[in-house]
Amino acid sequence: NAGVMQNPRHLVRRRGQEARLRCSPMKGHSHVYWYRQLPEEGLKFMVYLQKENIIDESGMPKERFSAEFPKEGPSILRIQQVVRGDSAAYFCASSPGSSSAGELFFGEGSRLTVL
Amino acid sequence: GENVEQHPSTLSVQEGDSAVIKCTYSDSASNYFPWYKQELGKGPQLIIDIRSNVGEKKDQRIAVTLNKTAKHFSLHITETQPEDSAVYFCAAGSGNTPLVFGKGTRLSVIA
Repeated sequence: NAGVMQNPRHLVRRRGQEARLRCSPMKGHSHVYWYRQLPEEGLKFMVYLQKENIIDESGMPKERFSAEFPKEGPSILRIQQVVRGDSAAYFCASSPGSSSAGELFFGEGSRLTVL
Repeated sequence: GENVEQHPSTLSVQEGDSAVIKCTYSDSASNYFPWYKQELGKGPQLIIDIRSNVGEKKDQRIAVTLNKTAKHFSLHITETQPEDSAVYFCAAGSGNTPLVFGKGTRLSVIA
């Protein structure tokens, strides 16, 4: 049973370009969460999605950031017109139910570097 | 919303000694408190969790205690080993609200 799969593991972008990060949840999991981790910082919640629905996007910047979890395929976190401050590790996690009902399973993360 | 504070930010212990990491939370509605371990270059992994209906839970060398009145919970690692070296995160949440994480504790176990 494969775990949460994230790709790419490393991504380098120049300022102004777009970054797309993909996350395939564990089999049978319909809840996906995206967290951002800055160096020496904790995990900051960004967005919580179920299939085809955004449940909570309170942690995601209103501009340049968007997320989706289509009926078919992986969840995607999209960052438009990246800036240096977007450099971070982005972690996706999945669960069969809401996060506070049980364990969150994290992927290995996607490390974005903006030049 | 929920706010989770975690201390200390770094901790060094001699192999075989115990390590204690403490967290406080602000939202009295929180009822689920997991602890995650993150090794270098990896994603966080759940190591133990506790719900608000119990005060203590133990799994081999790892234990977690919860004081709902004071809104704090702690992770205890006994007989530490070099492979325990990692960053540990506490978190708190309830219902359908996403987990809120502390800033992490970097534990170094010195052989």
